[in-house]
Amino acid sequence: AAGVIQSPRHLIKEKRETATLKCYPIPRHDTVYWYQQGPGQDPQFLISFYEKMQSDKGSIPDRFSAQQFSDYHSELNMSSLELGDSALYFCASSLGQGDSYNEQFFGPGTRLTVL
Amino acid sequence: GQNIDQPTEMTATEGAIVQINCTYQTSGFNGLFWYQQHAGEAPTFLSYNVLDGLEEKGRFSSFLSRSKGYSYLLLKELQMKDSASYLCAVRDSDYKLSFGAGTTVTVRA
Repeated sequence: AAGVIQSPRHLIKEKRETATLKCYPIPRHDTVYWYQQGPGQDPQFLISFYEKMQSDKGSIPDRFSAQQFSDYHSELNMSSLELGDSALYFCASSLGQGDSYNEQFFGPGTRLTVL
Repeated sequence: GQNIDQPTEMTATEGAIVQINCTYQTSGFNGLFWYQQHAGEAPTFLSYNVLDGLEEKGRFSSFLSRSKGYSYLLLKELQMKDSASYLCAVRDSDYKLSFGAGTTVTVRA
């Protein structure tokens, strides 16, 4: 079965550079979530989109922005990168946001290293 | 917001049973998930509870008590491949997941 696709899988940037992470949800999933996981830490929710509209916002820095496109893929744009931005960035997708059980399926993650 | 607590580490012997407890304080509850995560990999779904009681799924079971803000994940017949981090995650009324810090389970021969 198709899973969540993230690209690139690994990314190395220098301080103050910009980075764009891409997420392709499972086909027919209309909701995308972004998480940041630092070394030895739990995933921290950044932002989510439902039907191409931002649905919730967590601990996302102002230097970061994201959007969901008409084909439901999402991009996380990160500017003025700092050393502390080095982390695993996970994208998850789910079907809908109704009251029924809607499991979030996680992608393999993008490992960002800022030098 | 959510306040989620689970033990940091647990060690058990192959073939044994381990129970990982999770307590939470929530501003809005819409289900509790357990995920397994191997180092450097994505979390993978194990179980989901939204009503009180026990959900059994093969070697893994999960229990929820909403009135007590308490859940546990039970791993039976432990195998070496079960060595991983186990994350308790609470979904709020906005469908956002908040994760606990994770419990690292080490299975020894």
